[in-house]
Amino acid sequence: QEQLVQSGPEVKKPGASVKVSCTASGYGFIGNYIHWVRQAPGQGLEWMGMVNPSGGGTKYAQKFQGRLIMTSDTSTNTVYMGLSSLRSEDSAVFYCARLIGRKPPSGDSEFWTGYFDLWGQGTLVTVSS
Amino acid sequence: DIQLTQSPSSLSASVGDRVTITCRATQDIRNYLNWYHSQPGKAPKLLVCDASTLQIGVPPRFSGSGSGTEFTFTINSLSPEDVGTYYCQHYNDLPVIFGEGTRVEV
Repeated sequence: QEQLVQSGPEVKKPGASVKVSCTASGYGFIGNYIHWVRQAPGQGLEWMGMVNPSGGGTKYAQKFQGRLIMTSDTSTNTVYMGLSSLRSEDSAVFYCARLIGRKPPSGDSEFWTGYFDLWGQGTLVTVSS
Repeated sequence: DIQLTQSPSSLSASVGDRVTITCRATQDIRNYLNWYHSQPGKAPKLLVCDASTLQIGVPPRFSGSGSGTEFTFTINSLSPEDVGTYYCQHYNDLPVIFGEGTRVEV
């Protein structure tokens, strides 16, 4: 059974860092990018970035540049999302999602794009003093 | 970055009604568009990819159409379990962009 299982909820103080894991099972881990999407309370879906488990290449949304790191560990089929300098506005449910590539890299883009067919269960991160 | 505008932002309909959601892109994205359903406490679920391809297991009352800059998502006969928020997402390039969402009440 294909699945992405994420780590548990976190409570952090402003200025701290959080690291959320996403462990894949039931499919070939290195064959698909993993993306991270967050959803703040009452808000929409916001893309944060992606990591290619084969090689570790990453791409982050501009607004998170400098405080977001995504890594992958092929020995444990796990991807990690680390966000630093947390503020209250970062409180959200964070999802990892598997990408099925539909459009190959072209022009300035070095990564496939497509749709997200498999999602983790979500990890609630609460930032509060 | 290519932006997506969904309309309406929310709607209320009755069981059995036909519901239509529109997603407009700021540039031509061919058919590089997907639709998801999100409910509180659950991960988003992919319903339609490539603008009009229904995912396996998704009921046929759901459908998607369009290309270029105008896309439509339709629920042909609304069911109570269809409540939630629907998002379009383009994959013409990175960054990944989602529409603002359409909240559907039944």
